Amino acid sequence: AQSVTQPDIHITVSEGASLELRCNYSYGATPYLFWYVQSPGQGLQLLLKYFSGDTLVQGIKGFEAEFKRSQSSFNLRKPSVHWSDAAEYFCAVVTNTGNQFYFGTGTSLTVIP
Amino acid sequence: GAVVSQHPSWVICKSGTSVKIECRSLDFQATTMFWYRQFPKQSLMLMATSNEGSKATYEQGVEKDKFLINHASLTLSTLTVTSAHPEDSSFYICSASGTASSPLHFGNGTRLTVT
Repeated sequence: AQSVTQPDIHITVSEGASLELRCNYSYGATPYLFWYVQSPGQGLQLLLKYFSGDTLVQGIKGFEAEFKRSQSSFNLRKPSVHWSDAAEYFCAVVTNTGNQFYFGTGTSLTVIP
Repeated sequence: GAVVSQHPSWVICKSGTSVKIECRSLDFQATTMFWYRQFPKQSLMLMATSNEGSKATYEQGVEKDKFLINHASLTLSTLTVTSAHPEDSSFYICSASGTASSPLHFGNGTRLTVT
């Protein structure tokens, strides 16, 4: 069965520091991978996605993610975090045979001034 | 870009009443729409998948008679929470996608509070 794991429930970083949010998936084939951000009380905003090709994908707001097949991972990174990046981040997988998304449990990011 | 409009953004209702939430795709046709529920500080849990013109497919554990889903057109799906109870209070989010390879577009969610 497909699954998505975000090992870190909560992360705190200082403004200007680098950030890496972890995501591991379980799926037999290469899935489609996504990262979303959710501000409090809001819906989800797509940060970036990976379907195929270059394993390092660039997204909005200065985020990037790298697909590593050998590790079944799709970690999200940002070189310098801004206070406005504080939010909940969700990794998601959709199988390439259907429309169903599987979400991770999310990582809450706190940014210290 | 594609926009999904969800209405209302928040609603407070009394226990025993029904509440309807609308999800509209504004600039594209959504053959498939999805309804999620999110409890505080948890991930989104898929409730059901609705396909235009056919019955919705509910996930295990979701009561189809309580959460009525209608997808009568390619741009509108509705979720009706019938006989709402306080435990139905939650954040409900819809999403829409035209194809499997296009990322789902999400509405901004509806905060339901049942008193």
